Amino acid sequence: DAGVIQSPRHEVTEMGQEVTLRCKPISGHDYLFWYRQTMMRGLELLIYFNNNVPIDDSGMPEDRFSAKMPNASFSTLKIQPSEPRDSAVYFCASSVGGSYNEQFFGPGTRLTVL
Amino acid sequence: AQSVTQPDIHITVSEGASLELRCNYSYGATPYLFWYVQSPGQGLQLLLKYFSGDTLVQGIKGFEAEFKRSQSSFNLRKPSVHWSDAAEYFCAVGPTSGTYKYIFGTGTRLKVLA
Repeated sequence: DAGVIQSPRHEVTEMGQEVTLRCKPISGHDYLFWYRQTMMRGLELLIYFNNNVPIDDSGMPEDRFSAKMPNASFSTLKIQPSEPRDSAVYFCASSVGGSYNEQFFGPGTRLTVL
Repeated sequence: AQSVTQPDIHITVSEGASLELRCNYSYGATPYLFWYVQSPGQGLQLLLKYFSGDTLVQGIKGFEAEFKRSQSSFNLRKPSVHWSDAAEYFCAVGPTSGTYKYIFGTGTRLKVLA
C-alpha cells in the first residue's frame, strides 16, 4: 500500500483565495483525521470522520474551514477565504477503529498564505 | 482538563549515548499513551503505545517507554542513539472527551552529534 497520500505537498496562495487540500487514506481504514501543525500551537486535530461521516469538527477554527469525505478513498479540506494565519502544515491521517489504534500520517501539505 | 507536557523543547546527545525524553500527562482515568516520531518533511510515525498491562513498552527502532502512574509520566528511552534518530518526538494521550481524539504534546526536537 502506498500509505496516506496528500496533495499538493506545497501550496502558496494569496490572502482571500480558496485553498483545497486533498487526502487519500489507506484502503480499508475507516477513520480519517485532519490535523494542523504550527510552531505556536503544535499539532491540533481539526476534524475526524468515521465511515465518511464527520464525527467531531470542534477543532475547525472558523467557518472559513470546511471538510468533506464523499467516499472512503477521498477527503478534502477547504479554506475559503484564506488568511496569512492559516499558514501551517496540514496532515491527514487514517486508522482502523479510531484512536485506540495507530494513526498513519500522510506527508503533509505545507500551506503558505501571503 | 486533559493535557500533555513535554518539558524539553530541544535535546542534544552524542551518537551512542543514551536518551530519555520526558512526557507528563494530566488525565482523569487510565490513559492511552503514544509516542510518535516525525522526521524532517515527513508525517508522524508511531513508535509505541501503552494501553494496559506491562508498564514497560517496547517499540520500533529500539525505543522503549515506561508508564508510571504515580508520576503521571510516560518517558521514552533508548540505550544507544544513532544519527538517524535525529527527529522530532511527540507524546500523545487519548481518548478525550468521549471522542477518538488525541492530545499531542508540543514535541521534543532531538539533535544527534556525530
